[in-house]
Amino acid sequence: DQQVKQNSPSLSVQEGRISILNCDYTNSMFDYFLWYKKYPAEGPTFLISISSIKDKNEDGRFTVFLNKSAKHLSLHIVPSQPGDSAVYFCAALGSGAGSYQLTFGKGTKLSVIP
Amino acid sequence: EPEVTQTPSHQVTQMGQEVILRCVPISNHLYFYWYRQILGQKVEFLVSFYNNEISEKSEIFDDQFSVERPDGSNFTLKIRSTKLEDSAMYFCASSEWGGTLNSPLHFGNGTRLTVT
Repeated sequence: DQQVKQNSPSLSVQEGRISILNCDYTNSMFDYFLWYKKYPAEGPTFLISISSIKDKNEDGRFTVFLNKSAKHLSLHIVPSQPGDSAVYFCAALGSGAGSYQLTFGKGTKLSVIP
Repeated sequence: EPEVTQTPSHQVTQMGQEVILRCVPISNHLYFYWYRQILGQKVEFLVSFYNNEISEKSEIFDDQFSVERPDGSNFTLKIRSTKLEDSAMYFCASSEWGGTLNSPLHFGNGTRLTVT
């Protein structure tokens, strides 16, 4: 039962261009959405998040967009840099009051080509 | 920047043996978690822990699993009798508060458990 889906296992982008990573979810009870980045041999690192009451959150080169009606969110990285090459996980927080359980997607491996 | 540390980085054990995975969460954090990632699959929630008790657990976290905070700094995951399917990367995480947007989870680098 994939409540959080990242349908693209991989993405290649030229340095300087925009990277767009997509995520869909099925559980309408999710209130918060987060993006984590993971390098090999390291744990996931928090990148950016968005509450379900917003449709956009921006932090430097990273912007997350949320379309609640479509149950879809996306992470935009612009401009992309070679150091952004990593696996990006979309995650949703909880499905009920007091739940701190993150539900992850399978991840998208981003390769930024110099 | 403070970080979550996990030991060992790699643990090999025989089926049926007990293993203890260790974690030192960030010192001022109050919530602790274990997640795991089987090779090629998604990161899955196992358990959350607050105020010296389990606050949530998934269906993966059956009677073979237990967690403990034996002292003021360590947080451990014990698997009593390991099975082949327990082979995975186990991530410990902590958060200052209960995983809200203002208190994201900080993950350790993981312990790779291999059950033979």
